[in-house]
This record gives sequence, structure tokens and C-alpha cells, in this order.
Amino acid sequence: DAGVIQSPRHEVTEMGQEVTLRCKPISGHDYLFWYRQTMMRGLELLIYFNNNVPIDDSGMPEDRFSAKMPNASFSTLKIQPSEPRDSAVYFCASSLVPGQETQYFGPGTRLLVL
Amino acid sequence: AQKVTQAQTEISVVEKEDVTLDCVYETRDTTYYLFWYKQPPSGELVFLIRRNSFDEQNEISGRYSWNFQKSTSSFNFTITASQVVDSAVYFCALSEDGSARQLTFGSGTQLTVLP
Repeated sequence: DAGVIQSPRHEVTEMGQEVTLRCKPISGHDYLFWYRQTMMRGLELLIYFNNNVPIDDSGMPEDRFSAKMPNASFSTLKIQPSEPRDSAVYFCASSLVPGQETQYFGPGTRLLVL
Repeated sequence: AQKVTQAQTEISVVEKEDVTLDCVYETRDTTYYLFWYKQPPSGELVFLIRRNSFDEQNEISGRYSWNFQKSTSSFNFTITASQVVDSAVYFCALSEDGSARQLTFGSGTQLTVLP
């Protein structure tokens, strides 16, 4: 089975533009997580979904960030409008439940906001 | 609150040396899970191992071994006979039972293996 798939792998945009990051979890995984990685703050959980329902979005930094999971095989993380401080690597991860705690990560999207 | 500390920010060794990466965790739960992930220069996060709090047996996988000690709240990772391809950032992470699978990551240890 393919692992977690993320697109695009790299994104360069200008401040003020809308950015949409995409994720396809591993088939059959019930949980999906969005993380952000920066040098200053390390790996931070932004939001996670269980069976397509957002469970905890307390890590979402601002209202400019939004995430959706319209079905079990697709999720998006949107930043509108983007700012230079949003530049980071954004990871998507998925895991099975119950009993399995391992989160498998996608390759990440490197976002640069100019 | 849960916390993971990786005190070693950077480690540099020469190929074929053994190296141990330290991980100390804090949790109030009696049931929890510990993980190690590897992040090579290409940037992806690769799962290495998962250990639950009731299983204190050490584990060996090839050149990798893990030492879990609840008495000291540590989950250390040793690479034997290191190779250049082991150069990466290694993250230790903790998930508490009941925390809805939220992973708390340590700050990572950058391992450089020199030829």
C-alpha cells in the first residue's frame, strides 16, 4: 500500500496569496494529523481528524488557517492570506485505531512565503 | 502535561563508532507510547520504533537498539557501528493513553556520521 501522499512537495508563493496543501492518508487509517515544522518551534500539531471529523484544532495558529477532510481519502490545509512567517514544512500523518498508535508521515510540503 | 527532552542537540561521530541518543520523557499516565522517528536530509519522517509503557524489554533491530527504563523515564536509542547513511535528525516522541493519539515530539538530535 502506498504511504501518506502529500502535494505539492514544494510551494513558493507571495504574501497575501492563498495556499492549499493536500494530503491522502493511508487507506483504512481513521486518524489524520497536520503538523508544522520550523526551526524555532520544532514539530507542532496543528489539527487532527477522526473519521473525517475535526477533533482538536487548538494548534491552528490563526483564523487564516483552515483544514477540511471531505472524505476518508483526502484532506486539505489552507492558508488565506499567507504570510512570510507561515514558511515551514507541513506534514500530514495518519494512523489506525484502536490499538495502533503509530503515526505514519507523508513526505511533507515545503512552503516558502515571500 | 507530557514532555519529551532530547538534551543532545548535535552529535558527531566517525563511521563505525557506536552512538547513543538520549530521550527523557515526562508523563502522569501509566499507559503511554514512545516512538523514535528519523528525519534524513531529504526531509521525510521515517518511523523507527513504537514501545508501550508495559513493555520494558529492550529491542534490537539490526544495528539499532533501544533501551527503555521506566525507573529513569528514559528511552534511549543506540546505533552500533554507525554509517554515513545514519546521518539524520532523530526525534523521540510520546503519546499518552487518552490523549487521542497526540504525539509530543522532542526537539530532535542531529546526528552526523563522518566517513
